[in-house]
Order: sequence, then C-alpha cells, then structure tokens
Amino acid sequence: GAVVSQHPSRVICKSGTSVKIECRSLDFQATTMFWYRQFPKQSLMLMATSNEGSKATYEQGVEKDKFLINHASLTLSTLTVTSAHPEDSSFYICSARVSGGVHNEQFFGPGTRLTVL
Amino acid sequence: GEDVEQSLFLSVREGDSSVINCTYTDSSSTYLYWYKQEPGAGLQLLTYIFSNMDMKQDQRLTVLLNKKDKHLSLRIADTQTGDSAIYFCAESLAGGTSYGKLTFGQGTILTVHP
Repeated sequence: GAVVSQHPSRVICKSGTSVKIECRSLDFQATTMFWYRQFPKQSLMLMATSNEGSKATYEQGVEKDKFLINHASLTLSTLTVTSAHPEDSSFYICSARVSGGVHNEQFFGPGTRLTVL
Repeated sequence: GEDVEQSLFLSVREGDSSVINCTYTDSSSTYLYWYKQEPGAGLQLLTYIFSNMDMKQDQRLTVLLNKKDKHLSLRIADTQTGDSAIYFCAESLAGGTSYGKLTFGQGTILTVHP
C-alpha cells in the first residue's frame, strides 16, 4: 500500500532556530503534497499545498516566509519552520496525493511533534 | 465557505454499534471521507463515498450520505476496544483552486468500554 513517512517524528528546539521536516512518499509518486497543523484535541488545519516543481500555495493567514515549503522531487516535500517560537509548537502532518489517483486519494504521514522551548 | 461539523464525543460498550455523525455545508463536495487517528499518529483512511452515492458498506463500516441534508454518518458494527480513537470526517471539493483540498471536521473521540 501507499506509505508516507515523515522525519523527524519528534523534535525539540530552542526559540529562534529553524527546523526542517521531511515528507516522503515511499512507494508512489506524488505531484501534490499537503501540509497540515494540528493543535491538541483539535482538527487539522491546512497550511499549504505543495506542488512539485512550483511554488507552494499557502492558506490565508499562514506566513509563507515563516513556513518555507520545497517540493523538489515527486517523492519529497520539506517544511522548514524558520525562527521558531513557542507558539509554533504543534503536531505537523503531511499528506501526499497519488498522481493520477481516482478519488483524490491522499495518504497521511505519521506526523511530527515540534516543541519549541 | 466550507464548514464541517461533528459531535465531539461518543462512548459505547464493546460489541455495540457506534454511529458517528457529520454535517457539511458545501454542496459542491465530490468525495467525503472518514479518517481514524490514534494517539500521536497520523490519519488512516477508513473509507470514502462519492457524492452521488447514498450508502457504502465495507466490512464492519457502513457510510450513509444524505446529500439533501448534507449529512454523513459512519456506523461501526460490533465495536471493539481497538476502535477507540478520534474519527474525522472530511470533504473534498470539486475543482478550481480548491481541488484536492480536504476540509476536516473537529473530530469525534470514540471511547469503547469493555
């Protein structure tokens, strides 16, 4: 089956540093990947849509200079949280859409828990 | 805009059926999904239904869609303790700049008691 991995699964960093999170589709190609943020006991909030070879599309209210997205290949998208602050602490989840899929099939990664001290 | 709502909590006894409800507002939804999330993990797709269908059954799972009322439900038969998790419904819109985006409900926390 389609597997999406995220790395790291958990990261703790100091305020002001940058953190990179990787999202990989392991056994399929994904022209589109999505990045979500989830607060405790809340729903997933779409942050941005990442398209291979082009600029990401950010949702309203998401700072593109703070959350840098790069989708350099059909199997890898990265999210970099720049100059992280404690309020950026959250659970970040990516999903990858199967290229040519039938019903907008998206497969989700296991998530990355970011804690900013 | 899109809005998806769910009841927040459901508690059932092992062996009983669970019914999780969801309402959505966007009539242009193409597919509607049910995802399961266990603690500290990502989302697992349980099932989906195309908007021109009324019902879909997959083993213990039955999805009912009332397009007129924009109401979606997930029934889990013979609920087990391993079914305890958060269940999210989500809608996918038709096209244009919204294509492929999923809008999620708040999630329903299902607790199954022995």
